[in-house]
Amino acid sequence: DADVTQTPRNRITKTGKRIMLECSQTKGHDRMYWYRQDPGLGLRLIYYSFDVKDINKGEISDGYSVSRQAQAKFSLSLESAIPNQTALYFCATSDSTGADEKLFFGSGTQLSVL
Amino acid sequence: GENVEQHPSTLSVQEGDSAVIKCTYSDSASNYFPWYKQELGKRPQLIIDIRSNVGEKKDQRIAVTLNKTAKHFSLHITETQPEDSAVYFCAAFSSGSARQLTFGSGTQLTVLP
Repeated sequence: DADVTQTPRNRITKTGKRIMLECSQTKGHDRMYWYRQDPGLGLRLIYYSFDVKDINKGEISDGYSVSRQAQAKFSLSLESAIPNQTALYFCATSDSTGADEKLFFGSGTQLSVL
Repeated sequence: GENVEQHPSTLSVQEGDSAVIKCTYSDSASNYFPWYKQELGKRPQLIIDIRSNVGEKKDQRIAVTLNKTAKHFSLHITETQPEDSAVYFCAAFSSGSARQLTFGSGTQLTVLP
């Protein structure tokens, strides 16, 4: 089945380290997203991309960067990780028709910054 | 930008009872309202959605209602079952210039046997 795959599933790192989270999809969708989930705060948008040459900041982009290497791949980087970036990170794709936005999420990456 | 508030943050019901989760939104241009269910340790998945030209939509035991004038929408689950236990997120989307989905903070629903 077509899917959205995130790697790694879990990561523990230290303050100040650079880390990359990767997302790949076989759904053939143009739109890709990175969300962060914290308890009691819901899902907050970090960055999104509507095609390979398009990158847009979301609600909480500070401290993060992204790269859309191909239609199927969208990576999230933390240049210098800090403890309050400890969270569950989700990649998502969409085949939006323009009138709606149905998201398909990856299985998530649990990141812990010590 | 859009602001979506969701209540309650936790909800416990007896098996067989109904559950209602409510959300309000701020941007009158929002025109699409999905609901996602996240089971423990799993990814969020879309369970039902509604567009602004519709007041109510049903799918078996779940239904969503929308009041555009008051800018609020609700998820109704009838005859709850243990497998309904999960975190539920509402969201609002505008097909205008923003073109982003804004999520509520989530509701932890527990169905007690």
